[in-house]
Amino acid sequence: GESVGLHLPTLSVQEGDNSIINCAYSNSASDYFIWYKQESGKGPQFIIDIRSNMDKRQGQRVTVLLNKTVKHLSLQIAATQPGDSAVYFCAETQGAQKLVFGQGTRLTINP
Amino acid sequence: GAVVSQHPSWVICKSGTSVKIECRSLDFQATTMFWYRQFPKQSLMLMATSNEGSKATYEQGVEKDKFLINHASLTLSTLTVTSAHPEDSSFYICSARFRGWTDTQYFGPGTRLTVL
Repeated sequence: GESVGLHLPTLSVQEGDNSIINCAYSNSASDYFIWYKQESGKGPQFIIDIRSNMDKRQGQRVTVLLNKTVKHLSLQIAATQPGDSAVYFCAETQGAQKLVFGQGTRLTINP
Repeated sequence: GAVVSQHPSWVICKSGTSVKIECRSLDFQATTMFWYRQFPKQSLMLMATSNEGSKATYEQGVEKDKFLINHASLTLSTLTVTSAHPEDSSFYICSARFRGWTDTQYFGPGTRLTVL
C-alpha cells in the first residue's frame, strides 16, 4: 500500500539555527497534508497544514513546502528554540477521512 | 479553539479487567472522531473511525469485540478495552475532526494504559 515516510529519523540542530524536516509521500491523489509536533507523553499538536493546490504556506516561525512533482513535503522551523525539541510527524489524508502518518523525525535542539 | 480532552490521562489495571477511555471535543462539534494507539518510539496507528450515531469502522487487524467504541454525541466518544491483557498496554490517543475549511484533526493528550 502507499504510505507517508520520512527521510531522516533524527535531526540535531543548534539553538537559533533553522531546521528542515523532510517527508516523502507516495500517493499522488493525496490533497491535504499536515505537520504535527509530539512531545514526550503527549498527543500530537497541530502545527501547520497545506492543500495540494498550494506550494508554500507560512505560519509563526514555520513554513511548509509542498513539491507535488517529486511528492515531497518539508517543514522549516526558523530560529529553533529548546521548546521545539519533539518528534515531528507529517500526515496526509487519503480517501474521505483517514490520516496516514509518517514514521516521525526526532528533532533535538543543542544549546 | 479546537481543544480535545481525554480521560483518564493514565490508568493501571489488572489483566482481565475492562477500561473505558473518554474523548471529548470541548469547543466544537465533531461528527467524526478517531482512535489511535502508539507504541514507544513508533508512529500512530489508526484503530478505528467513529461517526456520531453510527457504528465505528475498524481498521484491519483491530478486534472490534475487544475495542468497543461508542460515539453517543457530537462531543463524546468512548473506547473500552475489554478483558485487557499486558499486550494491550499502550498509549491511546483520540482525535476529532474539525469540519472547517481544512477538515483538520485535532488530538487529545493521550491515555497511557498499563495492564499488569
